[in-house]
Amino acid sequence: NAGVTQTPKFRVLKTGQSMTLLCAQDMNHEYMYWYRQDPGMGLRLIHYSVGEGTTAKGEVPDGYNVSRLKKQNFLLGLESAAPSQTSVYFCASSYSKQGPSEQYFGPGTRLTVT
Amino acid sequence: DAKTTQPTSMDCAEGRAANLPCNHSTISGNEYVYWYRQIHSQGPQYIIHGLKNNETNEMASLIITEDRKSSTLILPHATLRDTAVYYCIVRVAVDYKLSFGAGTTVTVRA
Repeated sequence: NAGVTQTPKFRVLKTGQSMTLLCAQDMNHEYMYWYRQDPGMGLRLIHYSVGEGTTAKGEVPDGYNVSRLKKQNFLLGLESAAPSQTSVYFCASSYSKQGPSEQYFGPGTRLTVT
Repeated sequence: DAKTTQPTSMDCAEGRAANLPCNHSTISGNEYVYWYRQIHSQGPQYIIHGLKNNETNEMASLIITEDRKSSTLILPHATLRDTAVYYCIVRVAVDYKLSFGAGTTVTVRA
């Protein structure tokens, strides 16, 4: 199993450009998440999904949109990138619908907006 | 979710046990204690979790006090590869969201 993969690994955008980050998991997990991590800070939840076709807002959703058209994929979109969105983005997934379950994280996407 | 308090940093000698404390004095009865770590530039990695009993797996042991207001993660034989930021997180089981704080930066020295 590849686990959780993220595409691309690195990206540089200019202010106002758009892009989509792709997260894929091959563990048949129901839940998927997008986090961002800024220097010296912990991870902050952007959006999450509890199943195919569903999405919900996390702590810092502004400026981002997401879609979960297929169970194995979770896309994060930036419609008009801003320098404040320079960050490392992590995707994660988890399997359990009831009870505690651990989240499995991808390797991250490093995004710079100039 | 209950808030957690961890030391900012700590050092540990290679081969020795590393004991990482976490305070969660406002924890509720249905909240679990989770530990994750993040090695530099990588995604976070799950370590262990528990509710009220002590837990052990191949990576670490988790000791939770009887009143559940604090816990300790124990890495029994720290190696250089254990150098990472360790996060203590408290959450209810049905709440799938994780709230990461600043964590403890653990440096294992040869």
